[in-house]
Amino acid sequence: NAGVTQTPKFRILKIGQSMTLQCTQDMNHNYMYWYRQDPGMGLKLIYYSVGAGITDKGEVPNGYNVSRSTTEDFPLRLELAAPSQTSVYFCASSMRDWETQYFGPGTRLLVL
Amino acid sequence: GQNIDQPTEMTATEGAIVQINCTYQTSGFNGLFWYQQHAGEAPTFLSYNVLDGLEEKGRFSSFLSRSKGYSYLLLKELQMKDSASYLCAVRDRDYKLSFGAGTTVTVRA
Repeated sequence: NAGVTQTPKFRILKIGQSMTLQCTQDMNHNYMYWYRQDPGMGLKLIYYSVGAGITDKGEVPNGYNVSRSTTEDFPLRLELAAPSQTSVYFCASSMRDWETQYFGPGTRLLVL
Repeated sequence: GQNIDQPTEMTATEGAIVQINCTYQTSGFNGLFWYQQHAGEAPTFLSYNVLDGLEEKGRFSSFLSRSKGYSYLLLKELQMKDSASYLCAVRDRDYKLSFGAGTTVTVRA
């Protein structure tokens, strides 16, 4: 099993550009999550999904959108990139909400 | 919401023991996790406590006191590869995780 994979690993965006961060898991997990990690701060939950077709907001959803059309994929969309979205983004998954979350390798995003 | 505090940095010598404390305030507690994160990598699961007491897993142990809102992670027989950031995360009644800022442990020879 590859576990949780994310692409790209690193990206530079200009202010106002849009992009999609990809996340795929091959563990047949129901729950998937997007976090951002800023220097000196804890991971913050952006969005999560409890299964295909169901998503909900986390702590810091503004400026982002998600979709979950399949069990495996949970892409994160930035529509109008802003410097405040410069961060490292981690996708995670778990079989059930009370079980351990497993993280992908992260996407480092720089918005200039 | 959650308020989670842990020290920013700790330094220890190879072969020694280090204890990383985590205190939390929460409106609903449903378990506490410790994750290890090497620089530039993903967090990886280390331990989980939901009941009071000590959980031991090889060189790593984690302790929880729910009444005190306190946990610690104990790393024994430190090795150079243990140099990493250690994240304390508390799960609330809705099963959402809130993370502390992490403790960077540096192991010196």
